[in-house]
Amino acid sequence: GAGVSQSPSNKVTEKGKDVELRCDPISGHTALYWYRQSLGQGLEFLIYFQGNSAPDKSGLPSDRFSAERTGGSVSTLTIQRTQQEDSAVYLCASRNNGGMREQYFGPGTRLTVT
Amino acid sequence: DQQVKQNSPSLSVQEGRISILNCDYTNSMFDYFLWYKKYPAEGPTFLISISSIKDKNEDGRFTVFLNKSAKHLSLHIVPSQPGDSAVYFCAASALNAGKSTFGDGTTLTVKP
Repeated sequence: GAGVSQSPSNKVTEKGKDVELRCDPISGHTALYWYRQSLGQGLEFLIYFQGNSAPDKSGLPSDRFSAERTGGSVSTLTIQRTQQEDSAVYLCASRNNGGMREQYFGPGTRLTVT
Repeated sequence: DQQVKQNSPSLSVQEGRISILNCDYTNSMFDYFLWYKKYPAEGPTFLISISSIKDKNEDGRFTVFLNKSAKHLSLHIVPSQPGDSAVYFCAASALNAGKSTFGDGTTLTVKP
């Protein structure tokens, strides 16, 4: 079946511009996660959606970052007034609520802020 | 405070030998541990997991060991193959927590 997809795969933007990153999770997966991986760093948790519950936003680094998940499926991560330190690979993952706790990751969006 | 630590940024082993990747954690509420493998320009993929009620889980060439008293787990790959060269992430989650905490990763290089 189809895995997690993300778009765009690459995004170059100028400092100060807003960007939107999209994630299509695996159909039926109730949980959706956003992570950021800066160069040479590990996975930094950003936000977590679980069904209709309020999202866990504890990892968002500033109020310039926001995310929504419409209809319990597609999610959009928005970064306003981008800064050079926002340059990173943004990874989305989804998980089925039952059974094992492994997450299924998309290929990521590489964001470069110039 | 980093709750999941992978203290070795890199590891190099010869093909056919054993690779041992280590992970330490501090949160005693963690009850489930996972290893992911990541190739360049791809997202991480799930490799193997272990519940805190076990001390060993094996899947083919991959075995994960859990030492709860030491808050330490390790991933053994035997025999190592060049295709195993990747970044390996350790992750931990607590019951009902929903999200996992990831380590910074260890880059494994398996030389032919």
